[in-house]
Amino acid sequence: DTGVSQDPRHKITKRGQNVTFRCDPISEHNRLYWYRQTLGQGPEFLTYFQNEAQLEKSRLLSDRFSAERPKGSFSTLEIQRTEQGDSAMYLCASSFTSGRTGEQYFGPGTRLTVT
Amino acid sequence: QQPVQSPQAVILREGEDAVINCSSSKALYSVHWYRQKHGEAPIFLMILLKGGEQKGHDKISASFNEKKQQSSLYLTASQLSYSGTYFCGTERLSQGNLIFGKGTKLSVKP
Repeated sequence: DTGVSQDPRHKITKRGQNVTFRCDPISEHNRLYWYRQTLGQGPEFLTYFQNEAQLEKSRLLSDRFSAERPKGSFSTLEIQRTEQGDSAMYLCASSFTSGRTGEQYFGPGTRLTVT
Repeated sequence: QQPVQSPQAVILREGEDAVINCSSSKALYSVHWYRQKHGEAPIFLMILLKGGEQKGHDKISASFNEKKQQSSLYLTASQLSYSGTYFCGTERLSQGNLIFGKGTKLSVKP
């Protein structure tokens, strides 16, 4: 068990560019979550998958954000036409859920800076 | 529907006790507690389900009062390693997503 991994760990991009982040969950986990965290705040829910199905997406999430989890394994989060307000830590978490929500294991995050 | 945590920050001396509260205005199915150290990912502590259960391990325990929709995290005989920001995450429906509070920053001094 190598834990949840995320790539890249840091990303600096210019406003208007597209960025894509990857998350590899713990292998036996069926759920994968994406969160965004800014300084002094708790993780803000973005979306989650159960296996390959995207079950919920935050209403606050702009249509510039899209996530996929092909084959129910790794996931990607893409942000199109980045804005300075997108600068944040993007966290991925995974859990095994059967009957009720299990504990979530977080990855180290990808820190995005939009200049 | 973001849960409200109190206090926002607390400073303790080693060996002192602390209580962190998490309140919701909506009916909850469960409350999850996490601790995050600066520059690191949140680490899971425990889950409390509706029904008023209480859990604990080592010197950290928690309770969930279903009538008040409030959970409390108890840290007894605090250690330096307890320093960090504590977040509660609330779940309104079984197998739903978590909504996290703004966190409580705990600093334990020698």
